[in-house]
Amino acid sequence: DAEITQSPRHKITETGRQVTLACHQTWNHNNMFWYRQDLGHGLRLIHYSYGVQDTNKGEVSDGYSVSRSNTEDLPLTLESAASSQTSVYFCASSEGQEYNEQFFGPGTRLTVL
Amino acid sequence: SQKIEQNSEALNIQEGKTATLTCNYTNYSPAYLQWYRQDPGRGPVFLLLIRENEKEKRKERLKVTFDTTLKQSLFHITASQPADSATYLCALDQAGTALIFGKGTTLSVSS
Repeated sequence: DAEITQSPRHKITETGRQVTLACHQTWNHNNMFWYRQDLGHGLRLIHYSYGVQDTNKGEVSDGYSVSRSNTEDLPLTLESAASSQTSVYFCASSEGQEYNEQFFGPGTRLTVL
Repeated sequence: SQKIEQNSEALNIQEGKTATLTCNYTNYSPAYLQWYRQDPGRGPVFLLLIRENEKEKRKERLKVTFDTTLKQSLFHITASQPADSATYLCALDQAGTALIFGKGTTLSVSS
């Protein structure tokens, strides 16, 4: 069955370190998204991609980057982790038009000490 | 920019009753609106999509309405069950770009 996976599921890192969160989907979806979810803020869009080599900034993109070299993967990199980036991160994918339903991964809980 | 408000952070109801959750938005009317369910420790799961030209949509015990005049969507769960306890998120488009999500309403159904 097609799925979307995230790794690691839990990560503890230190301030200033570079961290990469992986997202892999086997739906063959063109669209992929990264969100963070914090108490009081809900889901906020970080970056998204509508296809290979396409990336776009979302609402809270500062301090994050993504690259899309193939259809299946959209890794999220925190260039220099900050305590404010402690959060739960969700990856999602969808096919076709941007308004189609999104399929979410299980999430990565990141703690920056 | 578009803003979404889900009026209640928490809603508590008894089993068998109808739960009604509200999603209000500001500014322009979206072309479509979606509802998701999220259980603790898991990613959101899509439930329903309704387009601006659709007043109502149903799926089993779920019903969604979309009132572009009031800038509001209502999400109903009829004959609610304890298994319906979860956080429900509404999401809408931003003029054809990626979705934005509300903060969610946590529904608790007691038996």
